Amino acid sequence: EDKVVQSPLSLVVHEGDTVTLNCSYEVTNFRSLLWYKQEKKAPTFLFMLTSSGIEKKSGRLSSILDKKELFSILNITATQTGDSAVYLCAVSGGGADGLTFGKGTHLIIQP
Amino acid sequence: DTEVTQTPKHLVMGMTNKKSLKCEQHMGHRAMYWYKQKAKKPPELMFVYSYEKLSINESVPSRFSPECPNSSLLNLHLHALQPEDSALYLCASTQDSRRSYNEQFFGPGTRLTVL
Repeated sequence: EDKVVQSPLSLVVHEGDTVTLNCSYEVTNFRSLLWYKQEKKAPTFLFMLTSSGIEKKSGRLSSILDKKELFSILNITATQTGDSAVYLCAVSGGGADGLTFGKGTHLIIQP
Repeated sequence: DTEVTQTPKHLVMGMTNKKSLKCEQHMGHRAMYWYKQKAKKPPELMFVYSYEKLSINESVPSRFSPECPNSSLLNLHLHALQPEDSALYLCASTQDSRRSYNEQFFGPGTRLTVL
């Protein structure tokens, strides 16, 4: 059975801190790993990673994939209260495959 | 138009009602998805339509019936639901199901309550 495991499940930090969220996976068919941010409603797309060692960056967020060790990390630097959300990691087998999600990391940024 | 829209935003229904959820995208995406998300849990895949044909049904009970009338529209027909079916129902789409790498973009969801 496909498995996506995120850690930590919850994290409370102060504004300005840097956080690292982890995602490991065991799936039969891997094509890409995706990160989403979910606040009250729909998950919003952050990154899609397909190749090992290539960092994707968007502002204060960055992510990297290690296909040999089967994990990814999402880094957020200089955190702000608006970064408070659940961060979901998901794996795709490609094509029209649905996504298999981890349980998410609930991140709370305190002022 | 770069978004997935869903209607209604909220729905309350009794166990004997028949209702439908609607999802629309005008991005030319050819794969569309229904996910179910219970409180404090990740989304779980229900159905996938690829080029308007049902390609994945994750053993969903028959009281949920998907329909894809055209490439922009995806419906989920609901009949004789149970209270445990109360959840956020998310629609997603992706550009081309023939490609290996596809970002999925989600709609805002319909929050369903079954009484």
